[in-house]
Amino acid sequence: QPVLTQSSSVSASLGSSVKLTCTLSSGHSGYSIAWHQQQPGKAPRYLMKLEGSGTYNKGSGVPDRFSGSSSGADRYLTISNVQSEDEADFHCETWDSKTQVFGGGTKLTVV
Amino acid sequence: QLQLQESGPGLVKPSETLSLTCTVSGGSISVTTYSWGWIRQPPGKGLEWIGSIHYSGTTYYNPSLKSRVTISEDTSKNQFSLRVNSVTATDTAVYYCARLLAGGFTYGPWGQGTLVTVSS
Repeated sequence: QPVLTQSSSVSASLGSSVKLTCTLSSGHSGYSIAWHQQQPGKAPRYLMKLEGSGTYNKGSGVPDRFSGSSSGADRYLTISNVQSEDEADFHCETWDSKTQVFGGGTKLTVV
Repeated sequence: QLQLQESGPGLVKPSETLSLTCTVSGGSISVTTYSWGWIRQPPGKGLEWIGSIHYSGTTYYNPSLKSRVTISEDTSKNQFSLRVNSVTATDTAVYYCARLLAGGFTYGPWGQGTLVTVSS
């Protein structure tokens, strides 16, 4: 069963860019992941599916500022022109035919 | 627009059974493309997948919870349900229901979540 590792927190200045990382465990570097955003006090919402090739497919209504990329076992979520409403927890998720796994989540603080 | 809504008791005593229902509106749960799942989030912590069900009746569970969890569906009511037996304080969490791509990830939408506290 794969394990996902995320840094616990990151900060970004208003209007800057930030790159969040989700790392797949050894032996699972080819897995796709999904990114989810959870604003304070709200349920998570799906942002995108990201493949090992770096191809990503965003959910409906997700701003163009959000993009994905991959390198080896690392899966990235990049937010350009960070806005105050981007302050949230970001969760990555992977899956196989029978199970889903979430990472521990990264808290993004906008300063 | 598809919407999911969790319902059930907010307080459960230790050793008893936690029962929640997710009502789906704006679309049918009887579709092959999607599965329907439960995810929980203990206060201040990350997300934990509990399990999922496909309309065919096939279920999948988190191995760490499998011995205590049952997910079922009622297609006539467009609902699916969660039961967790023998609860302890560590089962205290916000419980979410959500739509998944069959054999894939949590595609959403998610329900708003419901806090279940295990306490005597």
